[in-house]
Amino acid sequence: NAGVTQTPKFQVLKTGQSMTLQCAQDMNHNSMYWYRQDPGMGLRLIYYSASEGTTDKGEVPNGYNVSRLNKREFSLRLESAAPSQTSVYFCASGVGARTEAFFGQGTRLTVV
Amino acid sequence: QQQVKQSPQSLIVQKGGISIINCAYENTAFDYFPWYQQFPGKGPALLIAIRPDVSEKKEGRFTISFNKSAKQFSLHIMDSQPGDSATYFCAASRDDYKLSFGAGTTVTVRA
Repeated sequence: NAGVTQTPKFQVLKTGQSMTLQCAQDMNHNSMYWYRQDPGMGLRLIYYSASEGTTDKGEVPNGYNVSRLNKREFSLRLESAAPSQTSVYFCASGVGARTEAFFGQGTRLTVV
Repeated sequence: QQQVKQSPQSLIVQKGGISIINCAYENTAFDYFPWYQQFPGKGPALLIAIRPDVSEKKEGRFTISFNKSAKQFSLHIMDSQPGDSATYFCAASRDDYKLSFGAGTTVTVRA
């Protein structure tokens, strides 16, 4: 039972490069989320998808785009990476609002 | 600006002691208050959650106390064990999908 799987686990980018973080869940959850975790700031919501076919901005969406490819997959794209986007990124999924969110193992991204 | 303020940033407790983490919020529309536990190199995992219609919820050694009038809630870890050493996050949400997290508390349990 894999749960929420994120790829890659580690990535180093140069400023201005682009990349896509992949996330897939096998729990048949409707909702999926992307968070970033920075020291002293907890986890902040970047984007979420309440259900297949919908996406909405969270607290810190600037510099990111997302795609809900199907019910299982939710990707996060950085079009032009900046050092301020150095962070640990977590994907999560859940049944819906006010329910448990299941997190992946995270992607540690460094932008130099 | 964080919608949920968490303290302390870190704490050290002896094995068998009690760990207490406090959180405060301003948005009275919040109606779901979970706590997440995170071990190094792992994603957070739900520990325990409470809704504002109850003042306390206990699961094993973990207890949430909720004070609606003060807009505060806290996590108590009784009989703390070395395996409880982790980072704990409080969070809050309402009828949308936006879970707001506190900054986190790193708990170290000394044997």
